[in-house]
Amino acid sequence: GNSVTQMEGPVTLSEEAFLTINCTYTATGYPSLFWYVQYPGEGLQLLLKATKADDKGSNKGFEATYRKETTSFHLEKGSVQVSDSAVYFCALPSGGSNYKLTFGKGTLLTVNP
Amino acid sequence: EAGVVQSPRYKIIEKKQPVAFWCNPISGHNTLYWYLQNLGQGPELLIRYENEEAVDDSQLPKDRFSAERLKGVDSTLKIQPAELGDSAVYLCASSLGRVTEAFFGQGTRLTVV
Repeated sequence: GNSVTQMEGPVTLSEEAFLTINCTYTATGYPSLFWYVQYPGEGLQLLLKATKADDKGSNKGFEATYRKETTSFHLEKGSVQVSDSAVYFCALPSGGSNYKLTFGKGTLLTVNP
Repeated sequence: EAGVVQSPRYKIIEKKQPVAFWCNPISGHNTLYWYLQNLGQGPELLIRYENEEAVDDSQLPKDRFSAERLKGVDSTLKIQPAELGDSAVYLCASSLGRVTEAFFGQGTRLTVV
C-alpha cells in the first residue's frame, strides 16, 4: 500500500536559517500529498498540499514540490522563525479507494532565537 | 465556522478504569475518523464512519475499545478497561467524504497510570 518515509529529527535551527525536511513516498498512481503541522499541545493542521505531479504547495512561507521522478515531497522554508517550532508530518491517502491518511513518523523542529 | 471539537483535552486515569472521548465534527461532514497517535509517531487510523456506519474498524482493538456515532453526527470512543499502553493522543477528524479534505481536532491526551 501507499506509504511515506520521512526524515527523522530532531532538527534544531537558528532563526532565519533555511529548512529542509525530506519526505519520499511509495504509491500506486499519483495521489495527493500533504504536509501537516502539530504545534505543542495541539492537533494536526494542514500546512500545504499538492494534488498532482509537479504541483507546488505553499503556505506561510513553506513550500513543497510534488516530484514523481524522485518520488519526493520535501518541505522547505527559506527563513524559519521561532514560531515555526513544531512537529511536521508528511502524509498521503492510502487503503482501498484511498479512504485514510497514512502519516510519516514526524520531524520535530526547534528554532532558537 | 467551528472546527472539530474534542473533549476532554486531557485525561488521567488509573489502569483498569474506563474512559470515554467525545468528538463533534464540522457541521455537515458525513465522514468521521478516529486516529491514535503514540508518542513520537504519526497518527494511525482506528476507525472510520460514513454517517452512522462504521465502514472500517479493522485497526480498532475490539476487546477493549468501542466507538459509536449516533445519528451520524457526534461520536464517542471508549476504552474499557484501560491499560498502561493506551497512553497516547486520540485524534478525531472529519471530512465531506474525501479524506483529502479532512480536518482534525485538537486531540485528547490520555495518560494511564
